[in-house]
Amino acid sequence: GAVVSQHPSRVICKSGTSVKIECRSLDFQATTMFWYRQFPKKSLMLMATSNEGSKATYEQGVEKDKFLINHASLTLSTLTVTSAHPEDSSFYICSAPKGLEAFFGQGTRLTVV
Amino acid sequence: AQSVSQHNHHVILSEAASLELGCNYSYGGTVNLFWYVQYPGQHLQLLLKYFSGDPLVKGIKGFEAEFIKSKFSFNLRKPSVQWSDTAEYFCAVNAGYNQGGKLIFGQGTELSVKP
Repeated sequence: GAVVSQHPSRVICKSGTSVKIECRSLDFQATTMFWYRQFPKKSLMLMATSNEGSKATYEQGVEKDKFLINHASLTLSTLTVTSAHPEDSSFYICSAPKGLEAFFGQGTRLTVV
Repeated sequence: AQSVSQHNHHVILSEAASLELGCNYSYGGTVNLFWYVQYPGQHLQLLLKYFSGDPLVKGIKGFEAEFIKSKFSFNLRKPSVQWSDTAEYFCAVNAGYNQGGKLIFGQGTELSVKP
């Protein structure tokens, strides 16, 4: 199988602070990883593609300076929500591909107060 | 641009009823198709997938889906639902072999099964 671990599962932060979310592929290497955002009762929206050794590719409408992505190694990608505001509160999910299939992390519930 | 459309926003069924959830996609080339389920408070789980071959694919928990290329559809079915099938269901598309893992999701269908 393939396991993707995401940490933390829940985080509450104050408005104006930054939060880092980690996504790790535990038993396989991933040169790309994907970050999604899920609003309550809504679908998953692809935010960006994280690329090991190069810049992330952001989807249209996603602020690069707000959502910083770093693919530090073949098993780790991080998403940093900078200067978080209440409207950034959401469920963030990462995935890593193995072959043609995507394996998802458990997700991170971010609440900005 | 690719898009995925799920026709039913919320489906309510009684136990033992049959289920069919519609999914249509827009992309003219090779596609890989997936159905995911998300139980309340839990993360996404893969129900089934289609890459090639037999267009009727069977997944976990008695679910199956049929890929109809001419209709750009990948509908999910289950002959007899259970209360435990209450969840959100997402259809997803991965377009082309060079896009491994990059998924476009449908809007999701909330399934409520009444005991």
